Amino acid sequence: GQNIDQPTEMTATEGAIVQINCTYQTSGFNGLFWYQQHAGEAPTFLSYNVLDGLEEKGRFSSFLSRSKGYSYLLLKELQMKDSASYLCAVRVTGGGNKLTFGTGTQLKVEL
Amino acid sequence: DTEVTQTPKHLVMGMTNKKSLKCEQHMGHRAMYWYKQKAKKPPELMFVYSYEKLSINESVPSRFSPECPNSSLLNLHLHALQPEDSALYLCASSQGTRVTGELFFGEGSRLTVL
Repeated sequence: GQNIDQPTEMTATEGAIVQINCTYQTSGFNGLFWYQQHAGEAPTFLSYNVLDGLEEKGRFSSFLSRSKGYSYLLLKELQMKDSASYLCAVRVTGGGNKLTFGTGTQLKVEL
Repeated sequence: DTEVTQTPKHLVMGMTNKKSLKCEQHMGHRAMYWYKQKAKKPPELMFVYSYEKLSINESVPSRFSPECPNSSLLNLHLHALQPEDSALYLCASSQGTRVTGELFFGEGSRLTVL
């Protein structure tokens, strides 16, 4: 089985930087995804890591350390519209493209 | 077209009803998925279709019956559901199951079972 942990809630200020952590325990790791989900809407893809290191995409960056079973999503220049749930998802080998999602981190951006 | 379209957006049904959820994508993706999401919980995988064949069934009760008529369409047939089956049902697609492509999700069908 897989165990994926994220903080339940975080609060940050508009314009600031926030880091959302994800730790996982799994065998046959084959990639980690970050998704954003606004209330009542579909999850939307943010980033993908399969090798160690940092992937940058505009205001969003994601980091992976496979040896530590650890990833984080970094959001810069926070905007009010970034208030959403952020889901970490892990894929394992032999599982097709089966993603197992973490419990999600509800981010609230305040003025 | 980068959309996954789901219908209906909302569905209310009784425990003896038979209904279906529909999903459509025109991105040429060969893998399609059904996920179930309860309030304030992450999506949970139900089924995966790869090249129109069922490749993963996550021990879903038989009152949920998936169908993939062609590579663009995915249905979920519902029969004799229970109130605890009330949830948001999300359809997703990806290029395939052997490539490192992300999943594209539809907006979901919100199901209420009375």
